[in-house]
Amino acid sequence: AQKITQTQPGMFVQEKEAVTLDCTYDTSDPSYGLFWYKQPSSGEMIFLIYQGSYDQQNATEGRYSLNFQKARKSANLVISASQLGDSAMYFCAMRGAGNNRKLIWGLGTSLAVNP
Amino acid sequence: KAGVTQTPRYLIKTRGQQVTLSCSPISGHRSVSWYQQTPGQGLQFLFEYFSETQRNKGNFPGRFSGRQFSNSRSEMNVSTLELGDSALYLCASSGLERDRANEKLFFGSGTQLSVL
Repeated sequence: AQKITQTQPGMFVQEKEAVTLDCTYDTSDPSYGLFWYKQPSSGEMIFLIYQGSYDQQNATEGRYSLNFQKARKSANLVISASQLGDSAMYFCAMRGAGNNRKLIWGLGTSLAVNP
Repeated sequence: KAGVTQTPRYLIKTRGQQVTLSCSPISGHRSVSWYQQTPGQGLQFLFEYFSETQRNKGNFPGRFSGRQFSNSRSEMNVSTLELGDSALYLCASSGLERDRANEKLFFGSGTQLSVL
């Protein structure tokens, strides 16, 4: 069965510093995708970054990068130069292909950016 | 381009009642999926619709149902509400038609349902 584990319920970071949010996953599918979403207090899920299982390079999107270690089944999100507006819940999710398309979610990490 | 719109934003119901939530996807998107978010269980997949057909279904009782209209708008219905149905219900739309793992989902702000 597919599973996503986020072991950090809460994290603190100082403004302008970098922070790493952990995510490990479990799947037997050869083809899958890993996503990170941000959920501010407004409730909307905001897409941050995607990593495909066959991608050779780590994904980057602006200040967000994904540290993908396939052998360890980990997909950690790195946020560089944290901003106050980065304070939110962060969710790691995984999706298979074909009939296994639903997103499987971790329980999330609450990030607080301190001024 | 307008995002995913969910209505209403908040709902308060009592046990035993039924409720209908609405989701309008991004224009041109034909796939709509629904997720339930609770503090204890996190986010769980309810179902997915594509071109008015249910394509995937999660492990929820039959009290949870949905449908999709020809304009891709979707509704979700919960009958005989229970206290445990209190949750944030999120709708997501996507535009690609192929079953690709990298298909990005765009979410609405959700409907916060409280069952008293």
